[in-house]
Amino acid sequence: SQTIHQWPATLVQPVGSPLSLECTVEGTSNPNLYWYRQAAGRGLQLLFYSVGIGQISSEVPQNLSASRPQDRQFILSSKKLLLSDSGFYLCAWRTDSNSPLHFGNGTRLTVT
Amino acid sequence: AQSVTQLGSHVSVSEGALVLLRCNYSSSVPPYLFWYVQYPNQGLQLLLKYTSAATLVKGINGFEAEFKKSETSFHLTKPSAHMSDAAEYFCAVSRGGSNYKLTFGKGTLLTVNP
Repeated sequence: SQTIHQWPATLVQPVGSPLSLECTVEGTSNPNLYWYRQAAGRGLQLLFYSVGIGQISSEVPQNLSASRPQDRQFILSSKKLLLSDSGFYLCAWRTDSNSPLHFGNGTRLTVT
Repeated sequence: AQSVTQLGSHVSVSEGALVLLRCNYSSSVPPYLFWYVQYPNQGLQLLLKYTSAATLVKGINGFEAEFKKSETSFHLTKPSAHMSDAAEYFCAVSRGGSNYKLTFGKGTLLTVNP
């Protein structure tokens, strides 16, 4: 069966520090991969999605970037964190554009 | 473009009462629709999905939703609320095909009172 791993579960980082969140999927090949951010009372904001290795679509101009170095690995990064980057970050995958998303357990990021 | 509106950011029901969570969508093509549940500090779990087969969709934990094209709605219901149903619920829409985005509503927090 397919599983998704996302880490770390929580992270506290100072303003200006770099960020790297990693997500991997097991049990499937060539998944569509997604990064969402969830802020309190604001629902889920799509940040990036990828339909293949090296293919990244960015939804919102911001201080973050994403990369997909391997088929089932999706990384969210920042060179310098801002206070506004705090939130709950969720990685997700799906088989194709007609199927539902399957989410990881999320990373709670607090920028201080 | 596609969008989702969830009416009511907070719904409170008594244990054993009917649960009704409202979702209206906007899509230029026949949509794929989903309901998700999220418990505190966890990821989202799929409750059910509509993919143009039966208009009444049954999901996990006794939930179901009915797709009504004329009303552009996909409301989530459960006949009898349980304390364990207390969580946040999200409706989502996708157009499928070459469109890879899944758009979520802002969520409805369900409180179940004893």
